[in-house]
Formats: sequence, C-alpha cells, structure tokens
Amino acid sequence: DQQVKQNSPSLSVQEGRISILNCDYTNSMFDYFLWYKKYPAEGPTFLISISSIKDKNEDGRFTVFLNKSAKHLSLHIVPSQPGDSAVYFCAARPGSNYKLTFGKGTLLTVNP
Amino acid sequence: EAGVAQSPRYKIIEKRQSVAFWCNPISGHATLYWYQQILGQGPKLLIQFQNNGVVDDSQLPKDRFSAERLKGVDSTLKIQPAKLEDSAVYLCASSLDSFSYEQYFGPGTRLTVT
Repeated sequence: DQQVKQNSPSLSVQEGRISILNCDYTNSMFDYFLWYKKYPAEGPTFLISISSIKDKNEDGRFTVFLNKSAKHLSLHIVPSQPGDSAVYFCAARPGSNYKLTFGKGTLLTVNP
Repeated sequence: EAGVAQSPRYKIIEKRQSVAFWCNPISGHATLYWYQQILGQGPKLLIQFQNNGVVDDSQLPKDRFSAERLKGVDSTLKIQPAKLEDSAVYLCASSLDSFSYEQYFGPGTRLTVT
C-alpha cells in the first residue's frame, strides 16, 4: 500500500519556465511534508517542507502548496534552471512518530 | 561541516555471501537512519537509532539484516546471507535528534547481488 504517490515518473520543461511536481498521500495522520532532491550517485538533499497547518511555503524559487482536503501537495520551481535537473522525492511523516514515508520520485529534466 | 560518510560506495557480491556497510553521521547528530532504496522506488526506512538504542526496526528483515551503533556515533549494517532482491542502494542519514524534521543523507552504497 503506497501511502505517498508521485504519479509522474518524469517531467521535462524548458529553462525559465515553471516546473510543477505533484504528490498525493492517503494517510490522514501525516502532518508534515518534505521535498528532497537527488542527483545521480548522491544522497537525497532536503529542499523545502510544509506543516499541515499551512497551505503554502516559499523559499526563493521553490514554493510548496498543500491542499489537505484533497490530500495533495505540489512543488513549484520558478524559473526552472538546468541545474534543477534531478529526481525529486516527496516525503511525509505523521505527528505521532518521526518516520518518513517517501514517494517513488519524479525525474525532472530542465532543457536549456 | 562534514556530511554523512558512507563506505564502500559500491559492492558486488554473490547470493548467500555476507556484506557490511559503514556509516559515520554528522558530528553531534544523535539520530541515525538506514534506508534501502530499490531501483525506481523511494527510500524505505530499515532501522532508526537514537544514540546507541534502536527506536524503530519494524521494517528490518531480521532473519538476514542486522545493524549496530555501539558507541552512539558510527554504525554498521550487515546482510548475511544476501539474496538477489537485496540489490539496492543503502542510504544512511542522520538528524540532530528524533524531533528534527530534516534528515541529512550520505551518498549511499550501491549493492549488487549476483
């Protein structure tokens, strides 16, 4: 049973345009959500997070939106740059413990 | 600040052999995690340590996997005997404590079982 779903295995966008990566979850106990970025042969690195008490969090070019009623979150990257090309993982954790559940990831390719 | 260190980076073994992975977390981080990432999947938590005690090992296949963090600093993960389905990247991560949201990952060890 996949509790965190990233239904798009890959996404390709042009440099300068917006990248939108989507994530859905099924466990209503999740109350904190994170996005990690992973380059080949490296471990995931933390990118941005959002608590369930918020619906938006912004950090520079990266914005995460949370729609609790739809159990959906999205990561917006504006403007996209070639260096953003990586695998992006959505992760979630419940308030009762600190165990992260990851999605399968979305490979983002930003073309120059 | 030095990151999470892991070794080896790559390992190829035959099924039924044993293998061990080593992890050194960021200095001062009390919590250490081992994840298994199978190709095309997200990382899956195997075991979580708080200092040298186990917090969660519910997804660790204990008949063949073992892990220890004897002095509350570095850690080893062992597989004995290995199966073909153990082929994966094994990621170590650390965080300041169990309440920290952000986990810092090492580069991982890519294991191939033939």
